[in-house]
Amino acid sequence: QVQLQESGPGLVKPSQTLSLTCTVSGDSISSGGFSWSWIRQPAGKGLEWIGRVYASGATYYNPSLESRVTMSIDTSRKHFSLKLTSVTAADTAVYYCARGFYSDSEGDGSFDIWGQGTVVTVSS
Amino acid sequence: DIVMTQSPDSLAVSLGERAAINCRSSQSVFYSSNNKNYLAWYQQKPGQPPQLLIYWASTRKSGVPDRFSGSGSGTDFTLTISSLQAEDVAVYYCQQYYSTPWTFGQGTKVEIK
Repeated sequence: QVQLQESGPGLVKPSQTLSLTCTVSGDSISSGGFSWSWIRQPAGKGLEWIGRVYASGATYYNPSLESRVTMSIDTSRKHFSLKLTSVTAADTAVYYCARGFYSDSEGDGSFDIWGQGTVVTVSS
Repeated sequence: DIVMTQSPDSLAVSLGERAAINCRSSQSVFYSSNNKNYLAWYQQKPGQPPQLLIYWASTRKSGVPDRFSGSGSGTDFTLTISSLQAEDVAVYYCQQYYSTPWTFGQGTKVEIK
């Protein structure tokens, strides 16, 4: 059974960099057929997709955050990561990692597995 | 960006009754070359991550009760709960994965009347 687990600091100071890691267990992160995404949710609000990374290292970001986001993947350590620079209070949210389907014939698919989420607060 | 708009924002339904949530996309999410709608539905209970219910607009994920069904094509979609159970109280989101950036609806809160 595949499981995802987010980890990282729960408190980040304004203007600093938010760094999170998602560890994948129960399956190989390097196997084809999946993308690996970060999604966030401010308290009491909706979901915002941040970006995705593939086992190849290819990345796609939400244009609204692209100038501040970097995602990477380490298949040997079975994890993928998010870095968000120059954070403000508006970046305070629950951050989820999630697995998405991918196939050459159909392209990208929905998110079938999610981590439990980690709360990140931006405050001095 | 494709904007996803759900209606209503909230609804209260009696136990055993039908609940229907609508989702409209600002442009079509139907890909004619494979005849698929790139639309998913998720359920989120308090304190939990979203869980996938429906993908390709109408394909139920394995293990999801058959009282949940998805329909629609192009720009208009519906999630129907045929007989509401107490454990269905949650917020429901639609999401398009037709084009980047992937976007979600604002959510619909379902409660018991």
